[in-house]
Amino acid sequence: GESVGLHLPTLSVQEGDNSIINCAYSNSASDYFIWYKQESGKGPQFIIDIRSNMDKRQGQRVTVLLNKTVKHLSLQIAATQPGDSAVYFCAENAGGTSYGKLTFGQGTILTVHP
Amino acid sequence: GAGVSQSPSNKVTEKGKDVELRCDPISGHTALYWYRQSLGQGLEFLIYFQGNSAPDKSGLPSDRFSAERTGGSVSTLTIQRTQQEDSAVYLCASSLRGRGGQNEQFFGPGTRLTVL
Repeated sequence: GESVGLHLPTLSVQEGDNSIINCAYSNSASDYFIWYKQESGKGPQFIIDIRSNMDKRQGQRVTVLLNKTVKHLSLQIAATQPGDSAVYFCAENAGGTSYGKLTFGQGTILTVHP
Repeated sequence: GAGVSQSPSNKVTEKGKDVELRCDPISGHTALYWYRQSLGQGLEFLIYFQGNSAPDKSGLPSDRFSAERTGGSVSTLTIQRTQQEDSAVYLCASSLRGRGGQNEQFFGPGTRLTVL
């Protein structure tokens, strides 16, 4: 069935380092991908998205890379800060009749040490 | 205006009771979504509304779960005869549109449901 998964469940970095969080997806029909950040006790917060007609998109301190050949998605956070500590989820949408449905991965816990 | 709001923030109930969870989307957002998040897990899609209709309710776990949306705004998720496995955080999200562009989903803080 469809699934979105993460290679690493936890990631610890030092403040100022760059962080890379990876995600694999299996539904080749997915055409829209999103990264969310979730802090304890809160709902997920949108970080950045990318459509399948792109392979890279940059935001403020974040970059998302999409490799459709190997169905891989990554989130890069530059100059990671303690406030970036959270759980990060990738999500995919297949469009078509599934356009309202996001399929989420299990999440990666990012811990940033001062 | 305000973001997505949900109530109650916490709900403790006894097995077998019915519960109603409420979601107030961002004003003007036509699409509304319900998800469930079990402890330490990702989000599981439940149902999606476009206006007052639900084009996709494929994620509802059983017929004990139902949802409605009225006036293109507030939505209620109802769980009948709750079971312990229903314990989770129920998250609601809304987006300006349901498809194409402008479908970024904004999430509420969730309702933590505990079934004893």
